[in-house]
Amino acid sequence: DAGVTQSPTHLIKTRGQQVTLRCSPKSGHDTVSWYQQALGQGPQFIFQYYEEEERQRGNFPDRFSGHQFPNYSSELNVNALLLGDSALYLCASSFTGKELFFGSGTQLSVL
Amino acid sequence: KQEVTQIPAALSVPEGENLVLNCSFTDSAIYNLQWFRQDPGKGLTSLLLIQSSQREQTSGRLNASLDKSSGRSTLYIAASQPGDSATYLCAVRPSMTTDSWGKLQFGAGTQVVVTP
Repeated sequence: DAGVTQSPTHLIKTRGQQVTLRCSPKSGHDTVSWYQQALGQGPQFIFQYYEEEERQRGNFPDRFSGHQFPNYSSELNVNALLLGDSALYLCASSFTGKELFFGSGTQLSVL
Repeated sequence: KQEVTQIPAALSVPEGENLVLNCSFTDSAIYNLQWFRQDPGKGLTSLLLIQSSQREQTSGRLNASLDKSSGRSTLYIAASQPGDSATYLCAVRPSMTTDSWGKLQFGAGTQVVVTP
């Protein structure tokens, strides 16, 4: 049984570009959340998707957007990249709010 | 506003010693608390989940306690090994509504080094 899978594992972009990160939840899970983790800090909640809708958003600008597909997989899009967007992006999934399971993350570097 | 704090930020112990990691939170109205392990540049591995109605949870060499009224949780790792070297993060789940059950609030973590 595959856990939470994220792609790509690493990504390098330049300022102003746009990026799309992908997440496949653990089998049987219906909720996907995205987190940003800067170096040396704990993960910060970006938003949660359930039933293909964004349900709650953390303190992140509209440049961060997402989508959840009918098969529960999800994408995180970041527009107009800034240097400060460089971070590890983590996806987590759960089944109707039970224990969260995290993927290995996508390391994004913005130059 | 909920604040989650982990002290110390870093800890180094010799192999065999017991580890005690602390987590405090300012708002006791939590649904549950989860401890995670993170290796450098990697994702999070769940270690223990404690519901707000529970006082402790155990798994092998790991034991986590929760005192919701005082806003504290402690993770104990018995007989530490070099393979326990990692960053340990605690996270609280503020509520269990449909719109927010994917939201955890994390501390900054405690970086642990176990020396042979």
